[in-house]
Amino acid sequence: EDKVVQSPLSLVVHEGDTVTLNCSYEVTNFRSLLWYKQEKKAPTFLFMLTSSGIEKKSGRLSSILDKKELFSILNITATQTGDSAVYLCAVEAGGAQKLVFGQGTRLTINP
Amino acid sequence: DSGVTQTPKHLITATGQRVTLRCSPRSGDLSVYWYQQSLDQGLQFLIQYYNGEERAKGNILERFSAQQFPDLHSELNLSSLELGDSALYFCASSVGEFYNSPLHFGNGTRLTVT
Repeated sequence: EDKVVQSPLSLVVHEGDTVTLNCSYEVTNFRSLLWYKQEKKAPTFLFMLTSSGIEKKSGRLSSILDKKELFSILNITATQTGDSAVYLCAVEAGGAQKLVFGQGTRLTINP
Repeated sequence: DSGVTQTPKHLITATGQRVTLRCSPRSGDLSVYWYQQSLDQGLQFLIQYYNGEERAKGNILERFSAQQFPDLHSELNLSSLELGDSALYFCASSVGEFYNSPLHFGNGTRLTVT
């Protein structure tokens, strides 16, 4: 069965800290891994990763994929209260032609 | 704003009833996906349509059905509702048939079954 596991499930840090969110997966015929940020409503797209070792970066956020070890990390540096959200990792399972989501990591940034 | 529109935003109904959730994809997107998000299950894929045809099926119950119309909007029909169907239902759209491009999500319909 296709599976995506995120850790930690919950994280509370202070503004300015750096955080690393983890996503490991076991899926049939991996095609891509995506990160989404979900605040109150719709998940919004952050990154799509298809190749190992190539870092994707957007401002203070960055992500990298390791296809050998089957995981990805999402880093957020100099965190701000606006970064508080649930971060979702999703993997495209080509065998099942679907996007499998992890449970999400609830990140809380305290001022 | 993702460009994906879902209506209604909230829906409260009783067990045994039937409801219809509506989704208009982003302009130019041909694929529509339906997801269910509940507290203990995370985001669960229900079904995908591409250009009017069913493309992939996930954990969709037999009491649930969906369709995509010629104008590409989609409807998700939920019948014989049970308390456990209470959840946030998301629609997402993308350009292509496969996941070559990211999904863009609507704001969801919160369904409460009492």
